[in-house]
Amino acid sequence: ILNVEQSPQSLHVQEGDSTNFTCSFPSSNFYALHWYRWETAKSPEALFVMTLNGDEKKKGRISATLNTKEGYSYLYIKGSQPEDSATYLCAPWGFGNEKLTFGTGTRLTIIP
Amino acid sequence: DGGITQSPKYLFRKEGQNVTLSCEQNLNHDAMYWYRQDPGQGLRLIYYSQIVNDFQKGDIAEGYSVSREKKESFPLTVTSAQKNPTAFYLCASSIVHQETQYFGPGTRLLVL
Repeated sequence: ILNVEQSPQSLHVQEGDSTNFTCSFPSSNFYALHWYRWETAKSPEALFVMTLNGDEKKKGRISATLNTKEGYSYLYIKGSQPEDSATYLCAPWGFGNEKLTFGTGTRLTIIP
Repeated sequence: DGGITQSPKYLFRKEGQNVTLSCEQNLNHDAMYWYRQDPGQGLRLIYYSQIVNDFQKGDIAEGYSVSREKKESFPLTVTSAQKNPTAFYLCASSIVHQETQYFGPGTRLLVL
């Protein structure tokens, strides 16, 4: 089982501020990294799938970067809004480990 | 509307009883997955199926069984051998294995 760490565990951010958090994973045998957003009382929803070192993906005010050599990904949210409140999960996929391994998530709360 | 449905939303199990959680998808996805969530832990994979009539154990398969007789259905049975079944169970599917996963609304299993 891969060791996946997300930090911080939880985060409170003032509405309008920007924020970022980290996902760390083993860099060996890397295949892909998934990011999901999980709002309370809803199903997890896919944000990004990233595969290449240096990859940057963007969806509205949310963007993510990937460093496969050192084994980390950053998720950025610009100008946080109340609807951004959710738990953000990362899940790497490694060769020889034919499944996603989810981190425990970063729980983001936006303060109006 | 295409999507994944899980039923029931809440399920109560008595000691020594087997219970089955339903998962249906009409997305025409080949791959389906079952995850378990416990407080403070990431989603953990129980079983997955890449194609009809085939499935593989995930990280915590003991005490669970599955079947994949139809492409759209992947029921999970929690057997009496599962000593700590109280958890939130999520089903997911993807077009093919290793692609973005789409999640159902989940079933919360409680032990009486």
